[in-house]
Amino acid sequence: GQSLEQPSEVTAVEGAIVQINCTYQTSGFYGLSWYQQHDGGAPTFLSYNALDGLEETGRFSSFLSRSDSYGYLLLQELQMKDSASYFCAGANQAGTALIFGKGTTLSVSS
Amino acid sequence: EAQVTQNPRYLITVTGKKLTVTCSQNMNHEYMSWYRQDPGLGLRQIYYSMNVEVTDKGDVPEGYKVSRKEKRNFPLILESPSPNQTSLYFCASRQGSTEAFFGQGTRLTVV
Repeated sequence: GQSLEQPSEVTAVEGAIVQINCTYQTSGFYGLSWYQQHDGGAPTFLSYNALDGLEETGRFSSFLSRSDSYGYLLLQELQMKDSASYFCAGANQAGTALIFGKGTTLSVSS
Repeated sequence: EAQVTQNPRYLITVTGKKLTVTCSQNMNHEYMSWYRQDPGLGLRQIYYSMNVEVTDKGDVPEGYKVSRKEKRNFPLILESPSPNQTSLYFCASRQGSTEAFFGQGTRLTVV
């Protein structure tokens, strides 16, 4: 079956850098995306990697290695507002299914 | 403004009373999905649709129905709700494999 594994919790302090890993168990995924969700709110899209390598969007970067079935989200210069849940998600090549990991809760303290 | 609109935002109902949660998107997206979110379990896909009149089961379809008669609308139907369907529900739409847009969520309580 298709599944994505990520740590359940991560803590860090303001200004620090944190990396949230995601490993996936499937032969059918085509690309990895990341979403942010503040408590009770709607998930919002952060980034997408279709190919191996690093994608940078401001303070956030995302990396994918398809040969290792592994990706990560890197958050730099952490701010209190970055406290949220982060989900990795994989889509199959047909794009018919978008499967999410269970999410990582990031707590940023001052 | 690109958006996905879900209604209602909050709903308390009794076991067995049929209900429908509506979802509408204004981006002409082909793909629409329903997810439920429960503590510690993340977002689990209930049903998805690839286009009008084309739907398929996700990971947790039992107890739910959907329909896609128009491209913009994808309602979620609970024919006979039970307490284990108490959850936070999200509708999402997307075009292809990249960015999914989510509605604001429907918090359902079945008593």
